[in-house]
Amino acid sequence: DAKTTQPPSMDCAEGRAANLPCNHSTISGNEYVYWYRQIHSQGPQYIIHGLKNNETNEMASLIITEDRKSSTLILPHATLRDTAVYYCIVRVATQGGGSQGNLIFGKGTKLSVKP
Amino acid sequence: DTAVSQTPKYLVTQMGNDKSIKCEQNLGHDTMYWYKQDSKKFLKIMFSYNNKELIINETVPNRFSPKSPDKAHLNLHINSLELGDSAVYFCASSQWTNEKLFFGSGTQLSVL
Repeated sequence: DAKTTQPPSMDCAEGRAANLPCNHSTISGNEYVYWYRQIHSQGPQYIIHGLKNNETNEMASLIITEDRKSSTLILPHATLRDTAVYYCIVRVATQGGGSQGNLIFGKGTKLSVKP
Repeated sequence: DTAVSQTPKYLVTQMGNDKSIKCEQNLGHDTMYWYKQDSKKFLKIMFSYNNKELIINETVPNRFSPKSPDKAHLNLHINSLELGDSAVYFCASSQWTNEKLFFGSGTQLSVL
């Protein structure tokens, strides 16, 4: 699986958009970009994933560059409860392969949302 | 109505003891996992089970033995506990064909 690079920490004002970048310059054509977050003392939580098109759900938007070498997770209106470590993970999504559970978590970005 | 529940939340024990952590999911998933988060906060997969069959076993000492009595449960037994086993252990589940994992809230194991 391709490696990812994320800034170790970021701050964001409450109510503003939080834009979390991720570099994955060695990504392969069949590798997806996943985002999870881990709020303090909790288990990781799935946020969103995508292959090449931009994706949006109730939690966030995922913008993937045309060359797919980087992506940005956008939390449109950050709240204090969004303070967490955000992990960008790149891996192949297999249909029934089972190894999708072998997510390789890096150090992530510690996002601090401030009032 | 917790989706993935682990017990206990905290476990403090002496070196050499044997302990178990239980995990249950009520999401109807057919695949379950154990992850370990060390003191440096790195999360790493230990095991995965699909329909009670072991699928992934990532270089884990054989003192760790997962047991899946049914698709909704995956328990972790640890024999002869060592200081280095101190960590937070997370259970997770998913559908076999779905990349979205649901994690439990973790069990903090402290070996003294």
